[in-house]
Amino acid sequence: AQSVTQLDSQVPVFEEAPVELRCNYSSSVSVYLFWYVQYPNQGLQLLLKYLSGSTLVKGINGFEAEFNKSQTSFHLRKPSVHISDTAEYFCAVSDQVGSARQLTFGSGTQLTVLP
Amino acid sequence: DGGITQSPKYLFRKEGQNVTLSCEQNLNHDAMYWYRQDPGQGLRLIYYSQIVNDFQKGDIAEGYSVSREKKESFPLTVTSAQKNPTAFYLCASSPQPSGGRNEQFFGPGTRLTVL
Repeated sequence: AQSVTQLDSQVPVFEEAPVELRCNYSSSVSVYLFWYVQYPNQGLQLLLKYLSGSTLVKGINGFEAEFNKSQTSFHLRKPSVHISDTAEYFCAVSDQVGSARQLTFGSGTQLTVLP
Repeated sequence: DGGITQSPKYLFRKEGQNVTLSCEQNLNHDAMYWYRQDPGQGLRLIYYSQIVNDFQKGDIAEGYSVSREKKESFPLTVTSAQKNPTAFYLCASSPQPSGGRNEQFFGPGTRLTVL
């Protein structure tokens, strides 16, 4: 079974500064990778996903992530954050479990954007 | 508007009582999932269903039960056997159960508190 590690539980950053949220996963033959965002007391919303092809994936709200197979990483980046980006971010990997593919989530990174 | 609805948003229960959380989707998705979210632990899979009248245990199924009598509905019952049921519960769905390339779509969640 897969495991997903989000290296930082809390990331404070000033408004308009760049940010990187780190995600590493355990190796597998075939994985699909996702980043989700969760605002307080809400469900999760997909930011972006990597299925195949270009290793640089662009998502909503100006976020992007880079798939690095050799380092088994899928770090999320944004060049300039806004107050409204304050939320919890989850990295997830999809792999085969029995007859189905399931998502395994990291423990989350709380991004706090400071004025 | 297509989406996933969960009700109620907040739920309070006395110890020893069973309680059922509702999850309905009108996305015509085959697969549905229940997750439990605790602070600092990410999301953990309770049960999933790939098709009507079939469901499988996830990583933390003990003390929970589900049914899938209709494609659009996947209710979760938290039984009195669940030792620590206070948590945020998220329901999700995806178009193809074993495809893996499709992301999961999440409902807004139900916060259960045991008094």
